[in-house]
Amino acid sequence: AQKVTQAQTEISVVEKEDVTLDCVYETRDTTYYLFWYKQPPSGELVFLIRRNSFDEQNEISGRYSWNFQKSTSSFNFTITASQVVDSAVYFCALSEAVLSRELSFGAGTTVTVRA
Amino acid sequence: ETGVTQSPTHLIKTRGQQVTLRCSSQSGHNTVSWYQQALGQGPQFIFQYYREEENGRGNFPPRFSGLQFPNYSSELNVNALELDDSALYLCAWGEASIPNEKLFFGSGTQLSVL
Repeated sequence: AQKVTQAQTEISVVEKEDVTLDCVYETRDTTYYLFWYKQPPSGELVFLIRRNSFDEQNEISGRYSWNFQKSTSSFNFTITASQVVDSAVYFCALSEAVLSRELSFGAGTTVTVRA
Repeated sequence: ETGVTQSPTHLIKTRGQQVTLRCSSQSGHNTVSWYQQALGQGPQFIFQYYREEENGRGNFPPRFSGLQFPNYSSELNVNALELDDSALYLCAWGEASIPNEKLFFGSGTQLSVL
C-alpha cells in the first residue's frame, strides 16, 4: 500500500510565483517522522526538513514553509517567491519506526521554475 | 555538498552478470542505507547496515547484498542482474544515536542492465 502520496507529478511556474507541493501520508503508528528532500539534477537527495508526529507547529525557513495537519494526514510544502534554482524533484517521505532509517518516499513532484 | 561519494557514476551490465557499487562518507556517520530509484519514481529502501551488520531490509530478494566497512565505506552487491534492476542506486549515511535524523545521500550510481 502506498504510504506517501504526492498527487502532483509536475508543476511549472514563473519565477517569483509561489508553489505548494502536496503530500498525504498513511500510517497506523502514533510515532512517526515526516521529511522533505530535494533532488536536483545532480542526483543527490538534499534534506530540507524533518517533523515528528507530536509537533504540529508549522515551520518557516527563509522562502520555505511547511504545513503539517494530522487531521488530514498531510504535510504540505510551500516555496514562496520561487527562483530558477528551486527547479528540482521534491520528495516527501515517512519513517514509521523509532530506530529505523527506512524512509518510505512518495513518487516525487518535479518543479520547474521558468525565468 | 553531503560528503558522500559513490562510484562508479554510471555502469552498464548485461542480464545475469554481477555488480558491485561503492559508497564512502567523509562525515563519520555509522549507519548506511541503500536505496533503489527507478526512473520517475521515489527511492525504495533496500537495506541498512550498522556496525557492519544488516539491521533492516526492504522488499528486495537475497541477490541484493551489502557490506559495511570500519572506514566509513560500504558496498552494494547485486547478483544475477535482471532488466528491472536498471535504476539509480543511492546510498545514505546517518547517525545511529540520533534516530530518524536526516540522512546524507550520495549522487548515486546509474545502473543500466541490457
